[in-house]
Amino acid sequence: GAVVSQHPSRVICKSGTSVKIECRSLDFQATTMFWYRQFPKQSLMLMATSNEGSKATYEQGVEKDKFLINHASLTLSTLTVTSAHPEDSSFYICSASPTGWYGYTFGSGTRLTVV
Amino acid sequence: RKEVEQDPGPFNVPEGATVAFNCTYSNSASQSFFWYRQDCRKEPKLLMSVYSSGNEDGRFTAQLNRASQYISLLIRDSKLSDSATYLCVVNGDGNKLVFGAGTILRVKS
Repeated sequence: GAVVSQHPSRVICKSGTSVKIECRSLDFQATTMFWYRQFPKQSLMLMATSNEGSKATYEQGVEKDKFLINHASLTLSTLTVTSAHPEDSSFYICSASPTGWYGYTFGSGTRLTVV
Repeated sequence: RKEVEQDPGPFNVPEGATVAFNCTYSNSASQSFFWYRQDCRKEPKLLMSVYSSGNEDGRFTAQLNRASQYISLLIRDSKLSDSATYLCVVNGDGNKLVFGAGTILRVKS
């Protein structure tokens, strides 16, 4: 149980375009999902908390207009990287938990390369 | 000071060895503690939660010392397949997870 599916797994896009990443909880409902970013040889850094039916909460330093988050249902959150630039190239991962406390499950991640 | 600190390693150990990782955290209000394992270019996967009384899962033993704000992970009889990065994870403000930078383990035959 507690499976989180994330798509796409890899994407290469041109600078200036937008990329949408989907995160789905397959066997549970998630009122909250989390989006992380991980640069090579660094730890996961929380970007934002996605809240079903309301606005996402962004961490300090994360541009909300650049990283658009939509959590329209209890099983789906999307992250759109708008006007992507090479420095946005990273590993983006979502997570959710049915319990809210233990055993957060991660999606398989999306490796974004902006050329 | 980082919220969660770990020795980055790498720890290079032979098969069958016992290896221990330590982690310290700064938020005394933290209530949940975890060890995750991350393989190269993959997502983190939950290895085990860490309870105040300490807990064991097969070859893996986790300990928590709240007074010292210290968490440990012990791996006995290391296998080649244990090679990975081990992430110490603590819940922070707003129930958000805070990740350590990870400790690299390399088990060699």
